[in-house]
Amino acid sequence: EVHLVESGGGLVQPGGSLRLSCAASGFTFSSHWMSWVRQAPGKGLDWVANIKGDGSEKKYVDSVEGRFTISRDNAENSLYLQMNSLRAEDTALYFCARYTIAATVTDYWGQGTLVTVSS
Amino acid sequence: IQMTQSPSTLSASVGDRVTITCRASQTISNWVAWYQQTPGKAPKVLISGASRLESGVPSRFSGSGSGTEFTLTISSLQPDDFATYYCQQHGSYPITFGQGTRLEIK
Repeated sequence: EVHLVESGGGLVQPGGSLRLSCAASGFTFSSHWMSWVRQAPGKGLDWVANIKGDGSEKKYVDSVEGRFTISRDNAENSLYLQMNSLRAEDTALYFCARYTIAATVTDYWGQGTLVTVSS
Repeated sequence: IQMTQSPSTLSASVGDRVTITCRASQTISNWVAWYQQTPGKAPKVLISGASRLESGVPSRFSGSGSGTEFTLTISSLQPDDFATYYCQQHGSYPITFGQGTRLEIK
């Protein structure tokens, strides 16, 4: 059974950093694109970043480009999001999600980890 | 690519047929997915490729459209269907979602 479990969220001051992790199990992790999607409190879904199975391709939404870095460790079946220079508008529940083998759609999501940026 | 979803809120009763529409700001072929989210839960994919029903999703859900206009239809609402629905385009980066449609009980 596919499981995705996020961790690493918390309260951080503006300008600070956090590293989110997503532990994956139940599938061949290295075969799948992975994604981070966030949801501000009471708001809709916003895509943040994608990474290819072998880590060779990475894509970001403009608002986080240069501040956030997506990465993965296929030996550890883990996905990461390094978040630097955090802003109040980055406050959200951050989900990791798995793409299908065909990379057409995200078919499994974790339950999310909450990041709060506030002084 | 902006995805404009309508309506924002929809009030309906069990057994009703409802349709949610998503309009893309430019042509995206059929690279559209639909997700359902209930409070406190992660989104669940319902439809991919504009019309392909994902595994395990009840057949009362259906998707259609291509180009710039897409619809999600629920043929006969069940109590579990009262949730928020999002369209998503994944034809080009950045991937974008519609703003959501909250389906509430009338």
